[in-house]
Amino acid sequence: QQQVKQSPQSLIVQKGGISIINCAYENTAFDYFPWYQQFPGKGPALLIAIRPDVSEKKEGRFTISFNKSAKQFSLHIMDSQPGDSATYFCAASRDGGYQKVTFGTGTKLQVIP
Amino acid sequence: EAQVTQNPRYLITVTGKKLTVTCSQNMNHEYMSWYRQDPGLGLRQIYYSMNVEVTDKGDVPEGYKVSRKEKRNFPLILESPSPNQTSLYFCASSPGTELSYEQYFGPGTRLTVT
Repeated sequence: QQQVKQSPQSLIVQKGGISIINCAYENTAFDYFPWYQQFPGKGPALLIAIRPDVSEKKEGRFTISFNKSAKQFSLHIMDSQPGDSATYFCAASRDGGYQKVTFGTGTKLQVIP
Repeated sequence: EAQVTQNPRYLITVTGKKLTVTCSQNMNHEYMSWYRQDPGLGLRQIYYSMNVEVTDKGDVPEGYKVSRKEKRNFPLILESPSPNQTSLYFCASSPGTELSYEQYFGPGTRLTVT
């Protein structure tokens, strides 16, 4: 049972454009929502994370938007660059990161010049 | 250098031959975890550990064993590997506290079971 649904599976964006990746979750007990970035041949690395007490968090060109009532959260990459080409995973967990962590299925982003 | 190490990085084995993939972290992290990554399925958690001698099942624990006898080490054991366990495996660690829940991932172990 997939508790975190991620879309789209793949995304092609032109350089300078906005990349948007969406995730939806089912378990209302989740209270920590990170996004991880993975380059080919490497392990995932934390990009940005949010707790449900805020609706938006921004770090540089990366923004998480969180809608608690809809049980959805999304990653926005502004001014997308070719170096952003990677696979992005959303995730969710209870009790911060101290419990079981459920990841989405991933989005492969390609930013073309 | 703060890091999570995994060994081996690549492994080809045969069905039924017991194997262990080691994981070690040098960041004094409380939390450690194992994931498998398969195309179209993303990352799925196998087991996690909140501290020494404390482990719990993730979403796909069947066919795997773990132990946490020392804080820095969290080996993954496949007692009788089968072809459906062919996958890319990642170990991760995290402080697991209010200060940071960030997971630090190892470089991965690509396992093929024939």
